[in-house]
Amino acid sequence: DAMVIQNPRYQVTQFGKPVTLSCSQTLNHNVMYWYQQKSSQAPKLLFHYYDKDFNNEADTPDNFQSRRPNTSFCFLDIRSPGLGDAAMYLCATSREKPGQYNEQFFGPGTRLTVL
Amino acid sequence: AQKVTQAQTEISVVEKEDVTLDCVYETRDTTYYLFWYKQPPSGELVFLIRRNSFDEQNEISGRYSWNFQKSTSSFNFTITASQVVDSAVYFCALSESGGSNYKLTFGKGTLLTVNP
Repeated sequence: DAMVIQNPRYQVTQFGKPVTLSCSQTLNHNVMYWYQQKSSQAPKLLFHYYDKDFNNEADTPDNFQSRRPNTSFCFLDIRSPGLGDAAMYLCATSREKPGQYNEQFFGPGTRLTVL
Repeated sequence: AQKVTQAQTEISVVEKEDVTLDCVYETRDTTYYLFWYKQPPSGELVFLIRRNSFDEQNEISGRYSWNFQKSTSSFNFTITASQVVDSAVYFCALSESGGSNYKLTFGKGTLLTVNP
């Protein structure tokens, strides 16, 4: 089945130790997104790619970076994780920009723990 | 600025009861899109429905129905004859169409617990 896949599902890292989360999609969608969701909160958009064009949200900390080497894959790099970065990280895709076919499809998430 | 309000933080019902989840939105755009997502305990956000601002028809899909009213800026979601498997957090979300705005603005979610 076509889907959005995130690896790993659970990630434990140490304070300050860089970590990379990965997302892949078989939907061939143009847009890929990374969201951060803390406990009992709504998902918060960090950034998105439209094809190769990277778009950062204004309030996304510099500690968070992303790479999209091809259509299928997108990575979230956290350069120096702090305790406040512990959260669920959700990857999503949409076929196009906002418009008729812009519903976003989410992966299962990676739950990040920072020790 | 766009905003989505889900006033109900938590709802608890007994199986087979009907339940309505409220969603009120704010936007300055005349063209916009509304969504409902379900987030079960496993964590994955599951897309349920998209509604365009120019289409006010209500929709029914099995036990789910949605009531979109532009006059009150509301997009409410009703589950008929609820089941334990409906237990989840439900998010209402809004997307504006203007320019390069790709953002989905989510409400804070409503935790629905369906008890057997």
